[in-house]
Amino acid sequence: QQQVKQSPQSLIVQKGGIPIINCAYENTAFDYFPWYQQFPGKGPALLIAIRPDVSEKKEGRFTISFNKSAKQFSLHIMDSQPGDSATYFCAASPFDTGRRALTFGSGTRLQVQP
Amino acid sequence: GAGVSQSPSNKVTEKGKDVELRCDPISGHTALYWYRQSLGQGLEFLIYFQGNSAPDKSGLPSDRFSAERTGGSVSTLTIQRTQQEDSAVYLCASSPRLGSYNSPLHFGNGTRLTVT
Repeated sequence: QQQVKQSPQSLIVQKGGIPIINCAYENTAFDYFPWYQQFPGKGPALLIAIRPDVSEKKEGRFTISFNKSAKQFSLHIMDSQPGDSATYFCAASPFDTGRRALTFGSGTRLQVQP
Repeated sequence: GAGVSQSPSNKVTEKGKDVELRCDPISGHTALYWYRQSLGQGLEFLIYFQGNSAPDKSGLPSDRFSAERTGGSVSTLTIQRTQQEDSAVYLCASSPRLGSYNSPLHFGNGTRLTVT
C-alpha cells in the first residue's frame, strides 16, 4: 500500500517534445504528490507538487495532471530542452498523523536530444 | 543561504568495517530525513527525526543501521559491519517541519558509499 509505481524507466525525446511520466499509487491516504528533479551528482530538488483537490497544476513548462479516481498522476514537460535532461521522481505522502515521510517512485531518466 | 551539507561526499570501506555518515541540515529546519538510493533505483526511506519526538526508524533495513540527531541539528547515520549490498548513495534531507504541502524536502548531494 505504500508503493508508488512510476513509468517509464527511461525516456528519450527531441528538443521541443513533450515527455510524459506517469505514476500510480494504491494508498488512498496519500494526499500530497510532489515531483523531484535530480541531476547527476546532486540531490533531488522539488520541481512541482499537487494536492488532490485540483486536477491540474502548471508551473512554467511543467504540468502535473491528477486523476483521483484512477489513483494516477503524471508530469508533462512542455517544449522540453536539453537542460531538462535529468532523473525525475514522483512521490506521495499521507497527511495523517502517522508516518509522513515521502514514498518515492523508482525514477525516470529523461534525455532531451538537441 | 547554505543548503543541506553531507560528508564525506564519497566513502570507500572494506566489508565488515563500520562507517559514519554526517548530515548538517538547513538551520532552523526541524525535520530531518535519511534516504538510500541504490544504482538506478528510487529513493528508499530509512529514518526521520522531527523535533524532540521519537524518530521513525521503520525504514532501517537491519539492526546494523542506526542514526542519531544531536541537539536537534546535526545527524549521523551509522552502518555497522558493512556489507556489499550497503553500497549506495545515502541522501539526507531537511524541511522546516514534518513533510507537508508547504514544507518541501531539501536534499543534500549525498554520500556515495562503496563497500569492497
